[in-house]
Amino acid sequence: GQQVMQIPQYQHVQEGEDFTTYCNSSTTLSNIQWYKQRPGGHPVFLIQLVKSGEVKKQKRLTFQFGEAKKNSSLHITATQTTDVGTYFCAGQARSGGYQKVTFGIGTKLQVIP
Amino acid sequence: NAGVTQTPKFRVLKTGQSMTLLCAQDMNHEYMYWYRQDPGMGLRLIHYSVGEGTTAKGEVPDGYNVSRLKKQNFLLGLESAAPSQTSVYFCASSHFGQPFSYEQYFGPGTRLTVT
Repeated sequence: GQQVMQIPQYQHVQEGEDFTTYCNSSTTLSNIQWYKQRPGGHPVFLIQLVKSGEVKKQKRLTFQFGEAKKNSSLHITATQTTDVGTYFCAGQARSGGYQKVTFGIGTKLQVIP
Repeated sequence: NAGVTQTPKFRVLKTGQSMTLLCAQDMNHEYMYWYRQDPGMGLRLIHYSVGEGTTAKGEVPDGYNVSRLKKQNFLLGLESAAPSQTSVYFCASSHFGQPFSYEQYFGPGTRLTVT
């Protein structure tokens, strides 16, 4: 079945350092979404990538979708304490005649002031 | 707009008891979902619905039942709770279109403990 691996599971960075989380799918994806969950909160949608090789930016966040549509990354430049939380990717792919979405296990980011 | 709301926020059950979690959304979304979140496991889809009166199984449906009698509500039932169902449950909804292709709006979650 479809699997979405996400690494690393945890990351501690000094404030101002960069951060990257990676997602790899066992199957070709239709699209991939990224969510952020603050401690004690619920997942909040950040962005969706659909096209092969797509790159999107949101201020200090850069999202990439691989050429083969099997991997994706989220890069944060110059982290701030407000970036603390868990970042999830969610990959969608056709499985058994219907679209299935699978979440990665998430990367928990801790920013040390 | 309240968005997606969940009731209750917290619940403690004894093994074998039953309960229903209620999810409500006021965004007129067609699609609704129930997830459970466990440490180190990410979010796993339990059941989902593509419209009023329809439901479908997700990744981990065993031990749960759902109903979507009204478009704005999606109920998750546990008929006989087990300690393995201790988890945080999130409801989500999304706009009309292919399921999962639009951003999902999540509720605040229900923390369930089964002893």
